[in-house]
Amino acid sequence: GENVEQHPSTLSVQEGDSAVIKCTYSDSASNYFPWYKQELGKRPQLIIDIRSNVGEKKDQRIAVTLNKTAKHFSLHITETQPEDSAVYFCAASTGNNDMRFGAGTRLTVKP
Amino acid sequence: ETGVTQTPRHLVMGMTNKKSLKCEQHLGHNAMYWYKQSAKKPLELMFVYSLEERVENNSVPSRFSPECPNSSHLFLHLHTLQPEDSALYLCASSPLGANYGYTFGSGTRLTVV
Repeated sequence: GENVEQHPSTLSVQEGDSAVIKCTYSDSASNYFPWYKQELGKRPQLIIDIRSNVGEKKDQRIAVTLNKTAKHFSLHITETQPEDSAVYFCAASTGNNDMRFGAGTRLTVKP
Repeated sequence: ETGVTQTPRHLVMGMTNKKSLKCEQHLGHNAMYWYKQSAKKPLELMFVYSLEERVENNSVPSRFSPECPNSSHLFLHLHTLQPEDSALYLCASSPLGANYGYTFGSGTRLTVV
């Protein structure tokens, strides 16, 4: 089955700096890669996703890149703000109700 | 509210108790999922229902028993749990297939004493 690894497990940045979180996956049949943000005590919420026919996707301050050959994808947050502090999860799916999640990255943005 | 409601929000139960977790969605989704979230671990997929039929049981102990009476409701029946089963149990739903983002509920924080 799919195995998703996520790094780093914790990340601390200064407000205004960029943050990058990386994930690798094992199943070459995976074709959908969402990212979720989970604030303390709240539910995970989808923030951006990318499909395997696209190499990069951007939405304001967040972007995701996908390298299918290397089987890795990354989340980039620019101009970080304190409200970006949360746990971020990557995930991968082949489309067969089999979404697997990474272990999460706790991002802290220091004012 | 995102459209996926879980009850109760918190549950404390003894190892000999029987309890049930409930999940309800009114998003018109046809797939529903149970995940277990423990500290410092990935979200663990427990059960998947597609069109009310169970399509995956991820080697979950039999003390967890899911039920999906219709496409809007999902239950997780619990009996004779162990302290290590204490975790946040998250329900999610999606359109059919997993190539759409999931909508998660707020979860049930379960403590087994």
